[in-house]
Amino acid sequence: EDKVVQSPLSLVVHEGDTVTLNCSYEVTNFRSLLWYKQEKKAPTFLFMLTSSGIEKKSGRLSSILDKKELSSILNITATQTGDSAIYLCAGQNNAGNMLTFGGGTRLMVKP
Amino acid sequence: DAGVTQSPTHLIKTRGQQVTLRCSPKSGHDTVSWYQQALGQGPQFIFQYYEEEERQRGNFPDRFSGHQFPNYSSELNVNALLLGDSALYLCASSQSGQPTSGFYVVGYTFGSGTRLTVV
Repeated sequence: EDKVVQSPLSLVVHEGDTVTLNCSYEVTNFRSLLWYKQEKKAPTFLFMLTSSGIEKKSGRLSSILDKKELSSILNITATQTGDSAIYLCAGQNNAGNMLTFGGGTRLMVKP
Repeated sequence: DAGVTQSPTHLIKTRGQQVTLRCSPKSGHDTVSWYQQALGQGPQFIFQYYEEEERQRGNFPDRFSGHQFPNYSSELNVNALLLGDSALYLCASSQSGQPTSGFYVVGYTFGSGTRLTVV
């Protein structure tokens, strides 16, 4: 059975700090790893990673995939209170029929 | 806005009742997936519909059923509701294709969900 584990479960930081969120996966016929940000209800897409070792960046957020270690990290630099949310990672299989989500990391950024 | 639309936003039902949730996919998307997100947990895959058929199903009982219409919109039905069915139900739309390298689904976009409370 496919499995995705995220750590830490929760994190409290102050504005300006840098955070690293971790995701490990065991997905049969793995195709890609996706990161989402969930503030209230709808998870919003951040990154999709397919190739190992290639960093994807969007502003202060960046992410990279390590297919040898079956893991990914999401970095957020110079955190802001607006970054407070649950961050979800999900593994997608080759057919793309389903996403297997981790339990999420709850990030709280204090002013 | 041509995003994913779900209705209703909130719903309260009594144990044993039946419920129908609705989803309209993002414009240009032809595939609809449903997820259940219990409080404090990540979303769990229920099933996916493509070309009006259930293409894959997660580990959910037969009380959970669905339908996809010719316009790609979808319904999720849950019968004989249990207290444990209380959750946020998320719909995700995407686009399926069949390149030479194999069948694929891309562009997962989530709706805002339906919060179901069973009392």
